[in-house]
Amino acid sequence: AQKVTQAQTEISVVEKEDVTLDCVYETRDTTYYLFWYKQPPSGELVFLIRRNSFDEQNEISGRYSWNFQKSTSSFNFTITASQVVDSAVYFCALRSSGTYKYIFGTGTRLKVLA
Amino acid sequence: EPEVTQTPSHQVTQMGQEVILRCVPISNHLYFYWYRQILGQKVEFLVSFYNNEISEKSEIFDDQFSVERPDGSNFTLKIRSTKLEDSAMYFCASRFSSGGHTDTQYFGPGTRLTVL
Repeated sequence: AQKVTQAQTEISVVEKEDVTLDCVYETRDTTYYLFWYKQPPSGELVFLIRRNSFDEQNEISGRYSWNFQKSTSSFNFTITASQVVDSAVYFCALRSSGTYKYIFGTGTRLKVLA
Repeated sequence: EPEVTQTPSHQVTQMGQEVILRCVPISNHLYFYWYRQILGQKVEFLVSFYNNEISEKSEIFDDQFSVERPDGSNFTLKIRSTKLEDSAMYFCASRFSSGGHTDTQYFGPGTRLTVL
């Protein structure tokens, strides 16, 4: 079975704080792909990052960084020096090879307070 | 930058009516998808479409739903007889191919469907 768990329903931080959003996934496949999407209040889904199962290298993009650990089946997302514009719902998603569909987690609502 | 577009942005309909949601995927993409998100809940896969046929569908995608690519640019989702529980945001997505950096699905802005 494939599953994505985002245990944090909602997180509130004060601007400039760092925040980590957790994502734990389950899949029996050895080849799979992980994604993070941002859903701002306007409702669209904005692609942030994609990771292959065979590439455990962590990635940094500006204030965003991602920590992929196969040993714990986690793909966590950290925002450094958060800003009010980071306020959104963040979804983690999984696609296993052999299927076309993405399995989304339930999302984490991040509120960054000024 | 190319993007997926969807029309209308908001559709209100009466229970039992048919609705057609429209999507224009990114022009060189080959794989097309519909997802839905009931308010405040997670995004759920409905159907994938490739080479003019359905490649995968979820349990949600029953006989009331159908998809079509009527021409070279549009991709539509039809709900034959809407129910109250069909009220949701419907997202269209597309991707170029499988594997590598082209595996990513790019989502449209969504159509909010309200069934009264």
